Amino acid sequence: DTEVTQTPKHLVMGMTNKKSLKCEQHMGHRAMYWYKQKAKKPPELMFVYSYEKLSINESVPSRFSPECPNSSLLNLHLHALQPEDSALYLCASSQDTNTGELFFGEGSRLTVL
Amino acid sequence: GESVGLHLPTLSVQEGDNSIINCAYSNSASDYFIWYKQESGKGPQFIIDIRSNMDKRQGQRVTVLLNKTVKHLSLQIAATQPGDSAVYFCAENIIPRLTFGEGTQLTVNP
Repeated sequence: DTEVTQTPKHLVMGMTNKKSLKCEQHMGHRAMYWYKQKAKKPPELMFVYSYEKLSINESVPSRFSPECPNSSLLNLHLHALQPEDSALYLCASSQDTNTGELFFGEGSRLTVL
Repeated sequence: GESVGLHLPTLSVQEGDNSIINCAYSNSASDYFIWYKQESGKGPQFIIDIRSNMDKRQGQRVTVLLNKTVKHLSLQIAATQPGDSAVYFCAENIIPRLTFGEGTQLTVNP
């Protein structure tokens, strides 16, 4: 199994809603990542988890809250988002943080109204 | 700011031709580079990587060249096929951050 599975594929939420994005991998990878991608732009790193511990937060606003319940799962909790947060949110995993070979999911397309 | 970037936002080639996608970087200390392909509606997919102790690395139909003197790398795709149509990103891995440059949209014409 070389897949990273993200749910939901599409999400529409209001600015007062609370929602979560979920990501799962069963490759035994010990590093997991959240990236944000706007249309026609490269992915931008948000968070890095290494061995289930948060190792990088790229100054992401607190309305985005990551969680790594176990080595296979990664969540991104969303609260009080702004319309400019609308984007494709990509989850990725890798064997560890020493490799640049990341396996990406297909992303969750988020629209904030 | 970004330390990697691409020269051209779009590239159009004929099926069967070779494609060359270029990337420049600015950080002399950078020593690990990766090429990713992103098809429409999908996440980026790893193609090939190269470390600074190498000048060239080959995969299946792809070759990455690294010129440390001018801080430039390129991705060469041999016998380009319609399935190669995608956005290509070069990325720099300064562990543990993988930073993507701007992409090049490759279009393969039949």
